[in-house]
Amino acid sequence: QVQLVQSGAEVAKPGASVKVSCKASGYTFTAYYMQWVRQAPGQGPEWMGIIDLIRGSTAYAQNFQGRVTITRDTPASTVYMELSSLRSDDTAMYYCARGPRIGANYNLFDPWGRGTLVTVSS
Amino acid sequence: QSVLTQPASMSAAPGQKVTISCSGSSSNIGNNYVCWYQQLPGTAPKLLIYENNKRPSGIPDRFSGSKSGTSAALDITGLQTGDEADYHCATWDGSLSVVAFGGGTTLTVL
Repeated sequence: QVQLVQSGAEVAKPGASVKVSCKASGYTFTAYYMQWVRQAPGQGPEWMGIIDLIRGSTAYAQNFQGRVTITRDTPASTVYMELSSLRSDDTAMYYCARGPRIGANYNLFDPWGRGTLVTVSS
Repeated sequence: QSVLTQPASMSAAPGQKVTISCSGSSSNIGNNYVCWYQQLPGTAPKLLIYENNKRPSGIPDRFSGSKSGTSAALDITGLQTGDEADYHCATWDGSLSVVAFGGGTTLTVL
């Protein structure tokens, strides 16, 4: 079955960076997009960005431009999300989620990883 | 503040029907497909509805979606206590170039 396994919880200081991994299995890794979504405590989800796993091209939400980088390691079927210049309001659960098939003209998230809690605290 | 507006909370009795609304604009719902996600307490969201009204395999037909103009709706019939969750609508917003999520609706089955 399709599975997305994320790395463990992180605690980081303000101004630092954090890198979260997401290992995919159960399907052809390069046939789908991969996306990252975060959810702050008590808030709705917030889309961060997407990566085309064939070309490696990315698109990011304006709110995170310049601070987020999504990359892939195709042989390892793993996607990474790095967020820099961390602030206290970056404390949230970070999810990877498989997107639609490459080339699709619609968006969806299915399935989702279990999430990685990132806590930003001095 | 989200560009998609959902009621913050709704409640209904077991066995009843509930309709959760999601209101947007021409830059999002009006010109793009809508998805709905169910988030049980303490878990990741799960896809319930895609392309406005399609159900992934394994999703019961008690869940149905619709779209009209710049609004979408999720219907849940035959409510069960296990349906207590947060429900989120989502769609692409062409003006903001983001996938926009609604603020979420917390459903209580009394």
